Amino acid sequence: GAVVSQHPSWVICKSGTSVKIECRSLDFQATTMFWYRQFPKQSLMLMATSNEGSKATYEQGVEKDKFLINHASLTLSTLTVTSAHPEDSSFYICSARASGSPWTQYFGPGTRLLVL
Amino acid sequence: QKEVEQNSGPLSVPEGAIASLNCTYSDRGSQSFFWYRQYSGKSPELIMFIYSNGDKEDGRFTAQLNKASQYVSLLIRDSQPSDSATYLCAARRGSNYQLIWGAGTKLIIKP
Repeated sequence: GAVVSQHPSWVICKSGTSVKIECRSLDFQATTMFWYRQFPKQSLMLMATSNEGSKATYEQGVEKDKFLINHASLTLSTLTVTSAHPEDSSFYICSARASGSPWTQYFGPGTRLLVL
Repeated sequence: QKEVEQNSGPLSVPEGAIASLNCTYSDRGSQSFFWYRQYSGKSPELIMFIYSNGDKEDGRFTAQLNKASQYVSLLIRDSQPSDSATYLCAARRGSNYQLIWGAGTKLIIKP
C-alpha cells in the first residue's frame, strides 16, 4: 500500500514555457502533500506544503507565483513551474501523508526537469 | 547550527559488517524521527521511524533514539552491497507534519 505516483518522470522544455507535474496517491487519501526539490548531490529542499482544498504554504525563498501548487482533491496535487528557466532544472519530488497517519510521508518517484 | 545534522560521509563498511549511521537534532520539541534511504537518481524510501527512547528493530535494521542526548542512529546488520545508498535522517515538527531533513550520509558497502 501507500503508493504515490508522479507524472511525468522526465520532462525537457524550452526556457519560458510552463511545466505541470502531477502527484497522485493511488491507494490512500492524502490530506497533506509536500513538494521538494533536490539538486545534484544535495539534500531535499522543501518547497511547499499543501492541504486539500486550501492554499499551499510556501517555504521562505520559494516564489509562490512561479511554483503554482494546486491540491484539488485528496488524491491529486499539481505543481506548475511557470516561465521555466535553466536554473529551475532539478529533481522535483512529491510526498503524501495519509489521512489519519501522522507518522510517515510516502514519496513519489520524482520528476526530472531539464530546461533548455 | 542545522536542525538535523548528519555526517556526509562517505562511510565505507565491509560487506557483512554492521553499518552505523548517526544523526543529531537541535529542537527538543521534535517528536518522531525517520530514516529514509535514497539511491542515486531515485526518490527517498522509508526504512523506519522511531518516537520512543530506546531501540526499534525491523529485520536487519535497528533505529536507536536518545532524547536526552538528542541523538538518533540507524544500525544495519549484515551489510550488503545493495545497502549502498544515501541515508537521510528526518525529524517531524509542527502540526502539519513537516519533516526537517538532514543532508544525508553516503554509505558504501564494499564486497
